[in-house]
Amino acid sequence: AQSVTQLGSHVSVSEGALVLLRCNYSSSVPPYLFWYVQYPNQGLQLLLKYTSAATLVKGINGFEAEFKKSETSFHLTKPSAHMSDAAEYFCAVSGTGRRALTFGSGTRLQVQP
Amino acid sequence: GAGVSQTPSNKVTEKGKYVELRCDPISGHTALYWYRQSLGQGPEFLIYFQGTGAADDSGLPNDRFFAVRPEGSVSTLKIQRTERGDSAVYLCASSYRASGPQETQYFGPGTRLLVL
Repeated sequence: AQSVTQLGSHVSVSEGALVLLRCNYSSSVPPYLFWYVQYPNQGLQLLLKYTSAATLVKGINGFEAEFKKSETSFHLTKPSAHMSDAAEYFCAVSGTGRRALTFGSGTRLQVQP
Repeated sequence: GAGVSQTPSNKVTEKGKYVELRCDPISGHTALYWYRQSLGQGPEFLIYFQGTGAADDSGLPNDRFFAVRPEGSVSTLKIQRTERGDSAVYLCASSYRASGPQETQYFGPGTRLLVL
């Protein structure tokens, strides 16, 4: 079985501040991990994914995430927040024999001017 | 190129009615997924197609839900005897091939279903 826990349903940062969105996973097989972003009234857009190559994954819009097996974590970071980063962010996991994604409950990011 | 499209974008129906939701995947994508997203939650998997066949329907909540993909492209999610608890956003996603769980799934904008 697989599961994802996203700590913090709401995160608020100031423009220019560090963004840190937390994701912990549980998987009985080597996981593939994804971060998606959802803007209001739009579909989910892939930010980045971990597929067992490099543990530090760089994505679009300046986001990156680091896979830490020992901590079962895949936290999303961005050095400097922009107003346009305000959205809902979802962490998801899939694995061998399970192509469907299992999503966390999401973190809504607010960026204050 | 065109992304995944879903119609209608919004659907309001009455309890007990039948509804159909349509998904047009990205051209050439062989894998197609349906998810359901309730308010304040992450998407939950319903069913996955590889070509015309349902490869995994373990997420369908009960036998009121059914999906088809007769020609391996467009898919229709069908809900019979709708209940108020079926109200949610229904998301469709497609991927180029189902070579493995690492394939990126591309999502449509969703159909917002409201059952009165």
